[in-house]
Amino acid sequence: SAVISQKPSRDICQRGTSLTIQCQVDSQVTMMFWYRQQPGQSLTLIATANQGSEATYESGFVIDKFPISRPNLTFSTLTVSNMSPEDSSIYLCSVDGTSGSNEQYFGPGTRLTVT
Amino acid sequence: KQEVTQIPAALSVPEGENLVLNCSFTDSAIYNLQWFRQDPGKGLTSLLLIQSSQREQTSGRLNASLDKSSGRSTLYIAASQPGDSATYLCAVGGYQKVTFGTGTKLQVIP
Repeated sequence: SAVISQKPSRDICQRGTSLTIQCQVDSQVTMMFWYRQQPGQSLTLIATANQGSEATYESGFVIDKFPISRPNLTFSTLTVSNMSPEDSSIYLCSVDGTSGSNEQYFGPGTRLTVT
Repeated sequence: KQEVTQIPAALSVPEGENLVLNCSFTDSAIYNLQWFRQDPGKGLTSLLLIQSSQREQTSGRLNASLDKSSGRSTLYIAASQPGDSATYLCAVGGYQKVTFGTGTKLQVIP
């Protein structure tokens, strides 16, 4: 299994500002995933972050809006840039299990409210 | 494109009742299927993972089944308790991508 922590757990931000969310894993992993969960909705994959290469973004998500860093095998950040109220969501970091089972593990999430 | 649907969207049952949550998916070429629990405003807790070659998995009062050919999975919860109240999500693992269902919000009434 993998234990994942995220910072901050929640934040209230003004529109037009940016917030960087941190994700820390207790073991080395190849890929880290960032998801968004809008109010009352299911999870949508934003991007996949590989160490040493550019993140791969899903349709509808762009690097300018959601820049991602992956400096090593246990850490990643997601920045939500130039925020608007529509960015109010829970942002979740996820990794695959290290046992080869492809089981996914999630962090506790960051609850973002944009006013 | 994989689409995952969960029925019902919401369910309310009295404590002690057995219940079944349903998950259906459109593309049977999957690697695995995972059931999660999410408490309000929180992250996801993994409940059960079924590999594509398996038919079911059990953990305590939970049993999950998988029928790839029909594109269906069920999560059976025995003897439900108020602490089981949460949203349950199924997630279908494909090639380099996981697709989440819409979730079933469960309320167990004491």
